Amino acid sequence: SQELEQSPQSLIVQEGKNLTINCTSSKTLYGLYWYKQKYGEGLIFLMMLQKGGEEKSHEKITAKLDEKKQQSSLHITASQPSHAGIYLCGAASKTSYDKVIFGPGTSLSVIP
Amino acid sequence: EPEVTQTPSHQVTQMGQEVILRCVPISNHLYFYWYRQILGQKVEFLVSFYNNEISEKSEIFDDQFSVERPDGSNFTLKIRSTKLEDSAMYFCASSRGILEQYFGPGTRLTVT
Repeated sequence: SQELEQSPQSLIVQEGKNLTINCTSSKTLYGLYWYKQKYGEGLIFLMMLQKGGEEKSHEKITAKLDEKKQQSSLHITASQPSHAGIYLCGAASKTSYDKVIFGPGTSLSVIP
Repeated sequence: EPEVTQTPSHQVTQMGQEVILRCVPISNHLYFYWYRQILGQKVEFLVSFYNNEISEKSEIFDDQFSVERPDGSNFTLKIRSTKLEDSAMYFCASSRGILEQYFGPGTRLTVT
């Protein structure tokens, strides 16, 4: 079965600093999702990547999927307190594309 | 912006009781899902639903669980006889196609 790992597990950064969160899949990805979860709340869809080498941006957040479609990174530029939360990567597999397998999450704290 | 809504936000029930969690997916979406997140653990897929039938379910989704779309707008998850280990945050999600799932804010279920 597909497994996702995320690193780091948690991250504390000073406001204004850049940061990167990584997601690695045990199998080739059909699609890779990034979600943000505020503590105890729902998941907010950030973006989805499907093609090898694809890169998408939304405001100050950029996500990339590697050419082999097994690794993705999420980069936040000039972090703000509003970026704090748990970032989850999720995988859709070609054999079971209607369910998302989630990674364990990366907890981000941004210190003003 | 349209969003997935869930009711109630918090449900407390006694072991052995039946509970129904309700969701209103985004109106033009065709695919519906339930996930759960036990405190401190990963978000786990339970079931997907399309064209009025279950398209996929996980091993967690046993005979105690059922889903229904009773009318054109609601999507429900029923747990027939709750157990302590059913305590979790339950998320409903919907998508227009097979990708880009949008999540609701969740229902926190506490079984005592």
